[in-house]
Parts: sequence; C-alpha cells; structure tokens
Amino acid sequence: EDQVTQSPEALRLQEGESSSLNCSYTVSGLRGLFWYRQDPGKGPEFLFTLYSAGEEKEKERLKATLTKKESFLHITAPKPEDSATYLCAVRPPAFPSGNTPLVFGKGTRLSVIA
Amino acid sequence: NAGVTQTPKFRVLKTGQSMTLLCAQDMNHEYMYWYRQDPGMGLRLIHYSVGEGTTAKGEVPDGYNVSRLKKQNFLLGLESAAPSQTSVYFCASSLVAEQYFGPGTRLTVT
Repeated sequence: EDQVTQSPEALRLQEGESSSLNCSYTVSGLRGLFWYRQDPGKGPEFLFTLYSAGEEKEKERLKATLTKKESFLHITAPKPEDSATYLCAVRPPAFPSGNTPLVFGKGTRLSVIA
Repeated sequence: NAGVTQTPKFRVLKTGQSMTLLCAQDMNHEYMYWYRQDPGMGLRLIHYSVGEGTTAKGEVPDGYNVSRLKKQNFLLGLESAAPSQTSVYFCASSLVAEQYFGPGTRLTVT
C-alpha cells in the first residue's frame, strides 16, 4: 500500500498558467513532508519541509502547503525553467528517534510551454 | 563544498560481474542513504546508515551490500550483477531532516 501518492502523474501548462500539484499521504503521526525538484539526468534537489497542518513555505513561484492528509505545491505564473519532476516524500513515525529514511512518491512530471 | 559526489557516473556490467559504487559527502552528515530510481517506481531505498560503522536494510536490499567505514563515505556493492539491477542509483546524506542527493550513477547490466 502506497504511503505517498502524487497526482497528476504529468502536467502540461502554458507559461503563466498557474496550477497545483497534489501529494496525499496515509502516514499517521507525520514527522515531516518534503518537496524536491528533479531535473532530467540529475539528483533530486531539496525545496521545502513542512511539519504541521496549516504550515506554508514559499520560494519564488512555488508555494507548498500542508493539511492533515495532503500537501499541495502551488505554481504561480510558471516559466519554462520550472519544467521538472516534482517529488514529495514523508518521514513516517516507525523509527523511535533520530533521522529516518524518507518514503517518496512517484512524482509529477511538469512541462511548461512557452 | 562539493556536497554529495558519486563515482562513477556511468557503468555497463555483464551479468555476474561485481562492482562498487562510491558515495562521498563533505557536509559532516551522520546519515547516508542509497536509493535506486526506476521508471514508474519512484525512488526506493536500498540501504542506509545512521553513522560510521553502521548499516541497515531498506525497502529493496536483496543483491546489494554496503559499508560505512568512514563517516564521509558510503559504498554500495553488487556482488553478482543481474539485469534487474539496471537502474539509476542515488546516494543521499542528511544531518537533521532534509536529505541532499548526489548526481546519480547510471548502471546498465547486460
């Protein structure tokens, strides 16, 4: 059973057309939700960490929000350089303490067309 | 700061051959991880380490071994490569919560 589900799998936007990516999770007792950006042929690049429902983080045209069951990555007026795969990950509470491995979703592939 | 580096960047192996992938980080992170990424499967954890001299199994550990003899290095070994191990391998490290990834190694097993 997937703990992290991302939708849509792929999204094609026109430049300037705002939209949102969704990350839903089934983990209870969440100890962090993470967003990453991955460009083709490269490793994931860290974007945001969210810890509690209602929290928001922003970076340039991206804003991440968190509820008790899902997170959204809002992209405002996207540009072609925002094209990438966006990955969501959660840290489950299974381990007693310390850093624990993240569980990743399969990603949303975003294409922004000029 | 180079961050997380991986060696080699590309490799082609024949079935049954062995190899070692090297991951190095210069951020003094305690935690290190090995993932594989396959189309449609996302990132899957192979093994990880919570400190020098320690290792633990992840989601897909079969066919792989790891060692963490030095804090800054984390080695991933394939003893007898199989075509199912064709993948892109990523190493990551973390200090607190966020993991930082290397550029990846693309491995093909024929």
